[in-house]
Parts: sequence; C-alpha cells; structure tokens
Amino acid sequence: AQTVTQSQPEMSVQEAETVTLSCTYDTSESDYYLFWYKQPPSRQMILVIRQEAYKQQNATENRFSVNFQKAAKSFSLKISDSQLGDAAMYFCAYRSEGETSGSRLTFGEGTQLTVNP
Amino acid sequence: NAGVTQTPKFQVLKTGQSMTLQCAQDMNHNSMYWYRQDPGMGLRLIYYSASEGTTDKGEVPNGYNVSRLNKREFSLRLESAAPSQTSVYFCASSDDDSSGANVLTFGAGSRLTVL
Repeated sequence: AQTVTQSQPEMSVQEAETVTLSCTYDTSESDYYLFWYKQPPSRQMILVIRQEAYKQQNATENRFSVNFQKAAKSFSLKISDSQLGDAAMYFCAYRSEGETSGSRLTFGEGTQLTVNP
Repeated sequence: NAGVTQTPKFQVLKTGQSMTLQCAQDMNHNSMYWYRQDPGMGLRLIYYSASEGTTDKGEVPNGYNVSRLNKREFSLRLESAAPSQTSVYFCASSDDDSSGANVLTFGAGSRLTVL
C-alpha cells in the first residue's frame, strides 16, 4: 500500500517570503499522480497543484510550484511571495494511475502553515 | 454552481445513536467518496462509489454503511455511533478527465461529535 508522509506538522513564514513544504511517499508503482490540497479555516479542501509522475517538468500554478523528485519519491510545495490568505493546513496526496475505478487518494498527515504579517 | 453539498454541517450524538450524513453533487460526476479527517492523520477513505449502483470499502469502513441512491447522492450511515467516530467527515466526487488525474471536488465537511 502507498503511504504519504509530511514530516513538518507546522511551518511559519513571513508575509512576502518563500516557504517550502515537504512531502515524501512510498510506492512501487511507476505511474501515479500527486496533489497538494489546501484547507483554510473554513474547512473547504481546495486543490492547489497537481503533478503527473510521467512528466519530468515540475508543475507551476502562479505562486505555487513543486519540486518533484521521482527517484527520491519526494514532492515538495514551494509558495513564493507568501500572502496572509495562504495560511492553512496543506495536505499532500497520492493517487495510483492504475486505478480502474474511482480516484481514491492517500493523504499525508498535513502541515499547518502560519503566515506572519 | 453548488458543487458538493453535505448536510448536516454539525451534529452531536450520544453513543449508540444512529444518523445519516447526506451528500449530493451537481456536476454529473460518476465517482463519489466519503473521507474522515482526524488530527495528525490526514484524510482517510471510508467508502467510495465508482459509479451509480456500486460501492466499495476504503481504508476505514468499520462502523459505517453507505448508499449510492442515484448518480447525484451518496449517503453515509452510522448505525450505532461510538466516540471513536468523532471526526470531520468529507464527501467528494470526481469524474474522468483528459489528464487522467480525476481531481476530487470536496464538500465543506460535517463535524460529528459522539459523546
């Protein structure tokens, strides 16, 4: 079974600075998808960014980018120019490409990000 | 554009009581899911339904039952609630997309407390 580990329960960053959240995963598969979800105090889960394992290029969405290291099974999230609205719990998630039905995700434990003004 | 709607948002139960969490999506998605979120454990899959008429167990199905009433609705039932089922419950849905990622759309969550 796949596992996802987020080793940083809490992180903090100053507004306008850059922060990197870590995620590692364990899998024997070669094709899969990785995601970062954001959960603000409203509890709503919001997709931040996704990465297909077969793509070597790191995904980028505005101020959010990932460092995908397939051999190391590492998938970190970099937030540039941090804003107060980035404060949230961030979850890393894995999905097997081989699933023939549904899209079951395996989540990490989460990292609580605080943005200081 | 409501997306995924869950009810109720909050519920307090006594041990042994039963209740049903309701979930509906208006995106015509085939697949629906129930997750629970506990501190330090992320989200864990309880049950999912890959299509109307089918349901399958996830990682933590014990103590729960589900019903895929139709394509839109997927309910989660606790027959005899236990304090260990105190959690925040999320419903989600997804559909096949061209990238294959099949991104999940989540509801706003339901906080359940079992005394």
